[in-house]
Amino acid sequence: GAGVSQSPRYKVAKRGQDVALRCDPISGHVSLFWYQQALGQGPEFLTYFQNEAQLDKSGLPSDRFFAERPEGSVSTLKIQRTQQEDSAVYLCASSLAGAGFETQYFGPGTRLLVL
Amino acid sequence: DQQVKQNSPSLSVQEGRISILNCDYTNSMFDYFLWYKKYPAEGPTFLISISSIKDKNEDGRFTVFLNKSAKHLSLHIVPSQPGDSAVYFCAAASSFEAAGNKLTFGGGTRVLVKP
Repeated sequence: GAGVSQSPRYKVAKRGQDVALRCDPISGHVSLFWYQQALGQGPEFLTYFQNEAQLDKSGLPSDRFFAERPEGSVSTLKIQRTQQEDSAVYLCASSLAGAGFETQYFGPGTRLLVL
Repeated sequence: DQQVKQNSPSLSVQEGRISILNCDYTNSMFDYFLWYKKYPAEGPTFLISISSIKDKNEDGRFTVFLNKSAKHLSLHIVPSQPGDSAVYFCAAASSFEAAGNKLTFGGGTRVLVKP
């Protein structure tokens, strides 16, 4: 079956430009997560949605970062006025909702380079 | 403060031998642990997980061991194959989180399996 897809796969932005990154989760997955992975490090949590509700945004590094999932499926991570330190791979993951812990399945990521 | 640490950034092993990857954590609220494998330009792929009620979980060539008192887990790959060459991430989650099961990752261990 189809996995998590993300677009674009690569994005080059000039400093100060706004960018939007898209995530299509696995069909039927209620939970959706965004992570940021800097070069040579492990992914770090940004935000979490359950259906359309953003239940945790504690990992967003600044108010320039904004995420939405208006219909409970596709999600968009928007970064306003990009800075060089925003350069990273942005990973989206989805999981089924249910009792207990559900495994998160990751997309291929969007590699963002801010010049 | 890194809550999940993988102290070995790299590991080289001969094909057919055992690969042992280690991971330490500090947060005693973590009660679910996972290992992910990552190839270049791809997202992390789920390998194996373990709940804190167990001390061992096995799936084919992969076995994860959990030592709660030492806050330590390890992944054993036997026998190692050239296709296992990748970066391996240890991740932890807490069912005590108010929302969702966000993952906290280690920094990764790069494994090279030599033919």
